[in-house]
Amino acid sequence: GAVVSQHPSWVICKSGTSVKIECRSLDFQATTMFWYRQFPKQSLMLMATSNEGSKATYEQGVEKDKFLINHASLTLSTLTVTSAHPEDSSFYICSARVEGGGYTFGSGTRLTVV
Amino acid sequence: QKEVEQDPGPLSVPEGAIVSLNCTYSNSAFQYFMWYRQYSRKGPELLMYTYSSGNKEDGRFTAQVDKSSKYISLFIRDSQPSDSATYLCAMSVIKAAGNKLTFGGGTRVLVKP
Repeated sequence: GAVVSQHPSWVICKSGTSVKIECRSLDFQATTMFWYRQFPKQSLMLMATSNEGSKATYEQGVEKDKFLINHASLTLSTLTVTSAHPEDSSFYICSARVEGGGYTFGSGTRLTVV
Repeated sequence: QKEVEQDPGPLSVPEGAIVSLNCTYSNSAFQYFMWYRQYSRKGPELLMYTYSSGNKEDGRFTAQVDKSSKYISLFIRDSQPSDSATYLCAMSVIKAAGNKLTFGGGTRVLVKP
């Protein structure tokens, strides 16, 4: 089936640094990729929708200058958390719609900012 | 009121029992319905996808959709300890690739051996 590969699965960074998370669609082309954030024991919160070759669409309340999204090709979308702070610590997950219906998700990235 | 309501659980059942999960929603425009399973610290895994009222079966899983009542269900037969996870319902308005999902809050399920 369609697979989205997400890396890294786990990252620790110092406060003030930037972290890049990559999502690749391995056997299909993803014109649209969704980025979610998930806090412990809570559901997924959509942060932004990235479209190949154009600017991402951010949900209300999400800072686009802090969470930079790039979707430069049909198989790669990246999320960069800039100037990370401890409150940015969370589980980040990407997703893309697959042929035949449904959406496939990456395995997630656990970000810890210290 | 949330667009999609889901009991957070936890729902504890003995091994071999039927697990019954459900979600209610308020937006009658939702047309596509999904159930996902999520293990701790992992991304959600698609279990079932349906776009019409009625039942859909896949192995031990049965999904039901009742659009008139705005109610969807997932049943897991012969539950196993490995089914212990959080189950999320999700739905969308249209089929287009750029259309986003609306999730329920998730139900934590524990299957005891």
